[in-house]
Amino acid sequence: EAGVTQFPSHSVIEKGQTVTLRCDPISGHDNLYWYRRVMGKEIKFLLHFVKESKQDESGMPNNRFLAERTGGTYSTLKVQPAELEDSGVYFCASSPAWDRGFYEQYFGPGTRLTVT
Amino acid sequence: AQTVTQSQPEMSVQEAETVTLSCTYDTSESDYYLFWYKQPPSRQMILVIRQEAYKQQNATENRFSVNFQKAAKSFSLKISDSQLGDAAMYFCAYRSDLNSGGSNYKLTFGKGTLLTVNP
Repeated sequence: EAGVTQFPSHSVIEKGQTVTLRCDPISGHDNLYWYRRVMGKEIKFLLHFVKESKQDESGMPNNRFLAERTGGTYSTLKVQPAELEDSGVYFCASSPAWDRGFYEQYFGPGTRLTVT
Repeated sequence: AQTVTQSQPEMSVQEAETVTLSCTYDTSESDYYLFWYKQPPSRQMILVIRQEAYKQQNATENRFSVNFQKAAKSFSLKISDSQLGDAAMYFCAYRSDLNSGGSNYKLTFGKGTLLTVNP
């Protein structure tokens, strides 16, 4: 079974540019999460999809960030325009439907974003 | 809001020895889960061990065990017989218990502890 994949693994962009990160969850996982780790700080929750719907986007920093999940499959996180403080590692995680009891969040390898 | 604190940014251990990583947390909830995740260099984060707050018995997974002190809100990870492959960043994390009516499924993480294993 393929794990959670993320693309690209690294991205270096200039301030003001746009970047789109992609996450492919484990097949069949309804829940998809985005997290971010800024250097030296905690990994922080950004948002949560259940299928194609945003369940909770309380962690999104501001309206420069836009997340979508097309057809309940893969998800994209767009940053437009990027600012220096957006640099960090963006993690995606997925988990099965809630009605299966305890579920583990399976993490992708992350996308390292550097804004210069 | 819940918070998780890992007070050891870095730890080192000799191969075959035992090391304990510390984690404290703050919450007003009575039912929740605690986790230790491991992220090896350039690899994805994986779940090492989890503890349900309602269970008094400490969780154990092979060489990994926890010391869960609910009243003290402490959740340390002990790695026995350390191996070179244990070298990684370790994150402590908290999650509300959905089955008890909690609505927060998101994980709250600490800053992490970088573990080095010396041969």
